[in-house]
Amino acid sequence: EAQVTQNPRYLITVTGKKLTVTCSQNMNHEYMSWYRQDPGLGLRQIYYSMNVEVTDKGDVPEGYKVSRKEKRNFPLILESPSPNQTSLYFCASSLGAQAYEQYFGPGTRLTVT
Amino acid sequence: DAKTTQPNSMESNEEEPVHLPCNHSTISGTDYIHWYRQLPSQGPEYVIHGLTSNVNNRMASLAIAEDRKSSTLILHRATLRDAAVYYCILRDVISGTYKYIFGTGTRLKVLA
Repeated sequence: EAQVTQNPRYLITVTGKKLTVTCSQNMNHEYMSWYRQDPGLGLRQIYYSMNVEVTDKGDVPEGYKVSRKEKRNFPLILESPSPNQTSLYFCASSLGAQAYEQYFGPGTRLTVT
Repeated sequence: DAKTTQPNSMESNEEEPVHLPCNHSTISGTDYIHWYRQLPSQGPEYVIHGLTSNVNNRMASLAIAEDRKSSTLILHRATLRDAAVYYCILRDVISGTYKYIFGTGTRLKVLA
């Protein structure tokens, strides 16, 4: 089944403790992206990647890192999480940067205390 | 980046058509209009997209104004399963804008 998977689905952590949220897709998609969703602010793009080793900032990249060493994986790294990064995170992928349809993962709910 | 404006919320009765408006007065000639929706507790899903002509697919229809400054997503017969947040976004896939700007969308409530 074609899908985007994220792990973990739920995470509670403390300020400053490094964490990684994994994202994997099995559709051989070139374009991958991370979003955060907050009440009243909608979906905001954090980082995106057009292909292996090619990443760029979205609208809210501060406090996040990403890497794209393999086509199928696009992990989101929070080196020193803070409470304002408490949010619902979605990973997405599409065939290419100019493709029309993005496929979204199920989301990761992160709480930083 | 061109912006879109949508009503915060709308209501519809089940089995009736729903017209979800989107204003994009600063749209450029190469911006495509995309619609996504997000069901409760799920990630967004693609609905439809268009450039100039009206478009139909199994999920919905997209009506684009002649001046392209507005568009309307049409659900022909709303069901309870259509209750979701609907996002209208613009993407310039020709000049190479690789960002997505979703905004806050329209929350559609479907009444039984």
